[in-house]
Amino acid sequence: AQSVTQPDIHITVSEGASLELRCNYSYGATPYLFWYVQSPGQGLQLLLKYFSGDTLVQGIKGFEAEFKRSQSSFNLRKPSVHWSDAAEYFCAARVTGFQKLVFGTGTRLLVSP
Amino acid sequence: SQTIHQWPATLVQPVGSPLSLECTVEGTSNPNLYWYRQAAGRGLQLLFYSVGIGQISSEVPQNLSASRPQDRQFILSSKKLLLSDSGFYLCAWAPGGGNNEQFFGPGTRLTVL
Repeated sequence: AQSVTQPDIHITVSEGASLELRCNYSYGATPYLFWYVQSPGQGLQLLLKYFSGDTLVQGIKGFEAEFKRSQSSFNLRKPSVHWSDAAEYFCAARVTGFQKLVFGTGTRLLVSP
Repeated sequence: SQTIHQWPATLVQPVGSPLSLECTVEGTSNPNLYWYRQAAGRGLQLLFYSVGIGQISSEVPQNLSASRPQDRQFILSSKKLLLSDSGFYLCAWAPGGGNNEQFFGPGTRLTVL
């Protein structure tokens, strides 16, 4: 079955440290891939997306993600985390021809001083 | 530019009462529309999606229904709420015809007592 897995439920990172959030997908073909961020009580905001081409994708707020076909992964990274990055992050995937996104269960990022 | 609205922002309803949540999109035409539920500490569950007026696809059997009376209006309803219907309800839209990102509204927090 098609699925998106975010293995880390919570991650705590010190402010200024680097961040990597993991995402793995299980699809027969390469899906379109997305990362969203959700602040408490808010809707989801699109950080970045991968459709094809360059496997390193730049997004908003200094985030980037790298698509690795061999590992079926699309990990989100940021070189230096700010306290305002504390939020929940969702990875999502969609296969061509389907109208739906499949979301991972999310990773809650905590930023310590 | 496109905007998506949801109301009400918060709602407290007794068990057995009816429900109507509204979502409207501005600045686009013929969007795909989606309803998600996010229970506390859990990921997003797709409830319904619609690719056109009067066209509703249900993802999970449940106590809820959806309708799309106009191109940019999507309504989530229930005749009798259950305690388990409590959660954060998110509406989203995506360009119809093949583009892939979904854009989310601010959400409605529903508490059923």
